Amino acid sequence: GDSVTQTEGPVTVSESESLIINCTYSATSIAYPNLFWYVRYPGEGLQLLLKVITAGQKGSSRGFEATYNKETTSFHLQKASVQESDSAVYYCALGDNYAQGLTFGLGTRVSVFP
Amino acid sequence: GALVYQYPRRTICKSGTSMRMECQAVGFQATSVAWYRQSPQKTFELIALSTVNSAIKYEQNFTQEKFPISHPNLSFSSMTVLNAYLEDRGLYLCGAREGANQAPLFGEGTRLSVL
Repeated sequence: GDSVTQTEGPVTVSESESLIINCTYSATSIAYPNLFWYVRYPGEGLQLLLKVITAGQKGSSRGFEATYNKETTSFHLQKASVQESDSAVYYCALGDNYAQGLTFGLGTRVSVFP
Repeated sequence: GALVYQYPRRTICKSGTSMRMECQAVGFQATSVAWYRQSPQKTFELIALSTVNSAIKYEQNFTQEKFPISHPNLSFSSMTVLNAYLEDRGLYLCGAREGANQAPLFGEGTRLSVL
C-alpha cells in the first residue's frame, strides 16, 4: 500500500534558525500522487499548509517551501528562518486527484524557542 | 470562507456503548467526506470514504457494522462508533472535499475517550 515516512520528532529549533522536515513517500496505488503538508497548531485543527500536484513543482506558504521530487520520492519541508509561532505538528501526506482519502505520515512535532 | 465543523469536540463513553459524531461543511459542497482516526502514538488512519451518489468505501480493518456512516447531503456527514472499546480511543477527523484537485478541509476533530 501507499506510505509516507517523515522526520521523527520532536524537533527543537531556536527562533530565526532554519528548519527542514524530511518526507519520503511510496505510492503503489496512485500513478500521479498529489503531495501535501498539513499543520496542526496547539489547540487548533488540521490545516493545509501547502500542496503540490505536479512532479518537479515547488509549493510555498507562510515562508515554508517543499519541492515534489519524483526521482527521490521526496517532499521535504523547509523554512529558512522559523518563528516561535511555527511551533506545531507537521504532517506530510499523499493522495490522488479523485477525491480519495489521504495517507499521512506520523507527524513531526516542532518546537521553536526564542 | 470554507470551513468544516465537527462536534462534539470531546466525548467520553462507557465501554460497550456507542457514540455518534457529526461533520458539517460550511461554505462549500462536500462531494466527498473521509473519516480518519488518530489512535494514541499513531498517525491519521483512513476509516472510510463517502462520495455522494456512490457507495461508502471502508478501508481494511474498518467495517460498516462497526463505523456506520451517513452522508445524506453535500453539507453533512455523521459517523457512529458502535460498541466502543479501549482500542477505539483517539481523535476522529472528518476531511471534506468539494471535488477533484481540491485539498481536503478538516474539522478540529472529535476526541473519544472510552472508560
